[in-house]
Amino acid sequence: EPEVTQTPSHQVTQMGQEVILRCVPISNHLYFYWYRQILGQKVEFLVSFYNNEISEKSEIFDDQFSVERPDGSNFTLKIRSTKLEDSAMYFCASSETLAGVPDTQYFGPGTRLTVL
Amino acid sequence: GENVGLHLPTLSVQEGDNSIINCAYSNSASDYFIWYKQESGKGPQFIIDIRSNMDKRQGQRVTVLLNKTVKHLSLQIAATQPGDSAVYFCAENKAGGGSNYKLTFGKGTLLTVNP
Repeated sequence: EPEVTQTPSHQVTQMGQEVILRCVPISNHLYFYWYRQILGQKVEFLVSFYNNEISEKSEIFDDQFSVERPDGSNFTLKIRSTKLEDSAMYFCASSETLAGVPDTQYFGPGTRLTVL
Repeated sequence: GENVGLHLPTLSVQEGDNSIINCAYSNSASDYFIWYKQESGKGPQFIIDIRSNMDKRQGQRVTVLLNKTVKHLSLQIAATQPGDSAVYFCAENKAGGGSNYKLTFGKGTLLTVNP
C-alpha cells in the first residue's frame, strides 16, 4: 500500500540554525500539506501546496518557513532560523482531490524536531 | 517535566466491549469529516471518513455517525481490541484557498483497552 514517507525521523538542531524536513508524498497525489504537533497538543495545520505554489497557510507559517517541491517526488519544509518553540513533530500529508471535492489526507510518520 | 499540553478526554474499556468516541465540531460549513488514530510516536492514521450528505458510514469494525443539527460526530468501534489503544482525533475538512482543503483537528480522546 502506498504511503507518505518522511526523513529524518528525528532532527536535533541548535537555535538559529536552518533545518530542512523532507517528505515523499504518495506518487499520484497532487496536494501536499505540512502539519505540526507540539508535545501533548493538537495537530495544527501549517501550509497546503498545489501546482507548485502555496494554496493556504496558517498564521504559524511565518517568514521563517518555506516549502518547496524541488523535483517530482520530494516535498520539503524549511525553517530558516529555528526557535525553541519550533520543537514539535512535523507531519507531511498528501491527498488526491477530485474536482474540488476534498479527499482523504494521508499522513507520514513525522519528523521530531528538537531545538536546543 | 511538567506536562503543559491539553488534558485529553480518556476512555477505558475492556477487550471485546464496544467503544464510542465523541467529537463536537465547530464549523457548520464543514463538509467532510475524518477520524484518525494516532499511536504513540506515529503519524495520524486514517480510519474512516464521512461527507456531510450522509449521517452514517460503516467500515470494518468501525461506524461513524454524523449529526449536523448539533454538530456532533461519533466513532463506534465494535469488539475493541488491545491494538485499538491509541489517541483518536476527529478532523474537519474546511475549504481553503481554491479547491484545496486543510484539516482542523479536535483535541483527541485517549482510548485504553484493557485485556
